[in-house]
Amino acid sequence: DAGITQSPRYKITETGRQVTLMCHQTWSHSYMFWYRQDLGHGLRLIYYSAAADITDKGEVPDGYVVSRSKTENFPLTLESATRSQTSVYFCASKIAGESYEQYFGPGTRLTVT
Amino acid sequence: AQKVTQAQTEISVVEKEDVTLDCVYETRDTTYYLFWYKQPPSGELVFLIRRNSFDEQNEISGRYSWNFQKSTSSFNFTITASQVVDSAVYFCALSGTTGGTSYGKLTFGQGTILTVHP
Repeated sequence: DAGITQSPRYKITETGRQVTLMCHQTWSHSYMFWYRQDLGHGLRLIYYSAAADITDKGEVPDGYVVSRSKTENFPLTLESATRSQTSVYFCASKIAGESYEQYFGPGTRLTVT
Repeated sequence: AQKVTQAQTEISVVEKEDVTLDCVYETRDTTYYLFWYKQPPSGELVFLIRRNSFDEQNEISGRYSWNFQKSTSSFNFTITASQVVDSAVYFCALSGTTGGTSYGKLTFGQGTILTVHP
């Protein structure tokens, strides 16, 4: 499928478990991002990547790990899930350059019990 | 630090009314970019518009219009003759250029929930 996809779309996991959220884009965009959306906070940046093997922390990176071995994939891993990580997670990508807009995936709704 | 404030948490209007969504931003950058995104009930985020800090021209796209005023650090969004399909959460976002490239990282406002009643 063309565009940006996320999997799974819904996930329920238990506290302490490791979970990985997948993000795949077919545009060959250099930049990719992970955001979480919580009521009252809008969207907040977790991690971003400027290219394969180049990643950096955003506003709320604690408890998350990312990797980017291929341009098209940008997985987000919760190493030991906590209830505070219950959220909707959005992946986004954009063309390199300051002015271009980001395009978002459909989101993954994660519940940590 | 950058900040985006959408003071209107929720707005409710009746179809065909005009409605304006407010967005106020803070940044020390001289070059920055402002965006509006729409999030309909289905949950996806849809890009609506981008504006750079050097372009203060207002823009109109169909029933949508945007008013960018640097003097008041505002980038307001007006929907004319609202329709039920306009019901969504609308986000204003800011991307700055502090310290060189920012990679286009976005700082979002908290969003405004717009409900248009038939």
